[in-house]
Amino acid sequence: GAGVSQSPSNKVTEKGKDVELRCDPISGHTALYWYRQRLGQGLEFLIYFQGNSAPDKSGLPSDRFSAERTGESVSTLTIQRTQQEDSAVYLCASSSSTGWNQPQHFGDGTRLSIL
Amino acid sequence: GESVGLHLPTLSVQEGDNSIINCAYSNSASDYFIWYKQESGKGPQFIIDIRSNMDKRQGQRVTVLLNKTVKHLSLQIAATQPGDSAVYFCAENYSGNEKLTFGTGTRLTIIP
Repeated sequence: GAGVSQSPSNKVTEKGKDVELRCDPISGHTALYWYRQRLGQGLEFLIYFQGNSAPDKSGLPSDRFSAERTGESVSTLTIQRTQQEDSAVYLCASSSSTGWNQPQHFGDGTRLSIL
Repeated sequence: GESVGLHLPTLSVQEGDNSIINCAYSNSASDYFIWYKQESGKGPQFIIDIRSNMDKRQGQRVTVLLNKTVKHLSLQIAATQPGDSAVYFCAENYSGNEKLTFGTGTRLTIIP
């Protein structure tokens, strides 16, 4: 399995709790992306990393959302004080480099449900 | 603002027939386009891409056509199979921009 791996696959939590979502990109991929997909909708960009740096955080919906990447590998997306509107599938993608013409390869996502 | 949209939200096709999924984009600076297939409970799967210096690209049973004049993109799937049933998204970006902009998707259903 050399694809993008995300965990957990499903997460149910109570409103107000913090959650951490993990992404393991394809080995050697320097670029990593997080997206959010609400039910029946397209993908909404959240943040991307080039190496361990995040040049573009413009898609993060609020200051409750943060992300980090270490070792140019694993990334964690953290949502603090979760709200019901945070319920969605959170998708991670990686590509072999940044650059506008590189396809992004996706994991199967974490389905987050806030009660 | 930028937008990538689809003409039809749903499409049903008889198995074995060809299907065409359309996509319109509004950003004239867009110069890279991708089609993804997403099955239920899965992440988007890369199908085919095309750069703006081309107007046609073929893969296995799939062809992408790009008309920059009218800012239109299409995905043709030949000899459709039940496994082609999924939601298909077009996405675009442009030089210097890292994030893909996705449309809302078209649900393709193959009728046996």
